[in-house]
Amino acid sequence: AQSVTQLDSHVSVSEGTPVLLRCNYSSSYSPSLFWYVQHPNKGLQLLLKYTSAATLVKGINGFEAEFKKSETSFHLTKPSAHMSDAAEYFCVVRSKGFQKLVFGTGTRLLVSP
Amino acid sequence: DARVTQTPRHKVTEMGQEVTMRCQPILGHNTVFWYRQTMMQGLELLAYFRNRAPLDDSGMPKDRFSAEMPDATLATLKIQPSEPRDSAVYFCASGLVDTEAFFGQGTRLTVV
Repeated sequence: AQSVTQLDSHVSVSEGTPVLLRCNYSSSYSPSLFWYVQHPNKGLQLLLKYTSAATLVKGINGFEAEFKKSETSFHLTKPSAHMSDAAEYFCVVRSKGFQKLVFGTGTRLLVSP
Repeated sequence: DARVTQTPRHKVTEMGQEVTMRCQPILGHNTVFWYRQTMMQGLELLAYFRNRAPLDDSGMPKDRFSAEMPDATLATLKIQPSEPRDSAVYFCASGLVDTEAFFGQGTRLTVV
């Protein structure tokens, strides 16, 4: 069985400060992990993906995530938040051989000036 | 720039009417997903197809929802009859086996 837990429903940061969005997963098989971002009234855009290559993955817009098998985590980070980063972020797991994408409940990132 | 195209973008309909949503996957992708997004339930998987065959539609209310892929360039999601509780944003996504999925912009459905 696969599942994803996003530990925070909301995260608030100030512009220019670091961002940390937490994600823990459960998967019976070798997982692929993804982070998607959704801006208001928009579709979902892929930020980055882990597919069993390097454990530190770099994505678009300065985001990166580290796959930690021992902690079953895939936290999303960014060194310095920008106002345009305000959006909903989804952590997603997909086990090899299984086609379903299992979504977390999302974390809303709020960025204040 | 390849993208998933969904039509219509917005649909308002009266309760009891039939609604059909369409999706054009990215050319060459062999997996297609339908998701529904609401404030209360978040993103729910309704159905997914591989090579046009339905692999799992357990997330769909069978009595009123149906999903098909008449050909590799078209996926449809139909609701008949529609109910107010079906109001949501419906997303289509496509991809290849064991890779990420690319999402369309969604169809915002309002049933009054």
